[in-house]
Amino acid sequence: GDSVTQMEGPVTLSEEAFLTINCTYTATGYPSLFWYVQYPGEGLQLLLKATKADDKGSNKGFEATYRKETTSFHLEKGSVQVSDSAVYFCALSTQGGSEKLVFGKGTKLTVNP
Amino acid sequence: GAVVSQHPSRVICKSGTSVKIECRSLDFQATTMFWYRQFPKQSLMLMATSNEGSKATYEQGVEKDKFLINHASLTLSTLTVTSAHPEDSSFYICSATGGGRSYEQYFGPGTRLTVT
Repeated sequence: GDSVTQMEGPVTLSEEAFLTINCTYTATGYPSLFWYVQYPGEGLQLLLKATKADDKGSNKGFEATYRKETTSFHLEKGSVQVSDSAVYFCALSTQGGSEKLVFGKGTKLTVNP
Repeated sequence: GAVVSQHPSRVICKSGTSVKIECRSLDFQATTMFWYRQFPKQSLMLMATSNEGSKATYEQGVEKDKFLINHASLTLSTLTVTSAHPEDSSFYICSATGGGRSYEQYFGPGTRLTVT
């Protein structure tokens, strides 16, 4: 079945450091890929998405590229801020996101000043 | 953006009792709502999908008689955990979509259930 594997955390970085959170997937067909972020005490929010191979999703300085050849969708940010501290979830959907999101386990990021 | 609320945010109940969790879309009509369960350090697992006015579709392995889902209106879905046991203790999260061209799921903040 469909699955998402993301790097285990927690990840602790200093402010302005470079961030990479790895995400790989297994899916039949051509899934859409998502990164969600969950700030403390809040619900999950869509951070960015990509719906086809080679698409790059970007938002708030974060970006991820849909790599079909490596079945990956790694999240990157060039310079993290304390406010980026949160849990990040990689997810896929084979139906455009309207049905059955399959999530990774989440990666907790802590950014220290 | 669209806002989804859940109530209560946390609840403690005794084994054998039933607990109802509400999920509301505050500023849009939710044609479809989803219920997820999250164990510590685990991913969100989809439990069921509900469409307004129809029966929920449960994922394999989820007991429909134990986890009763009602989606009676376009802004409200409820999850009732019947005859709760300690193994039902978990974090329950709902999400909602407005249908149409927008397929993004908007998530509630979650409900922490502890069964003693």
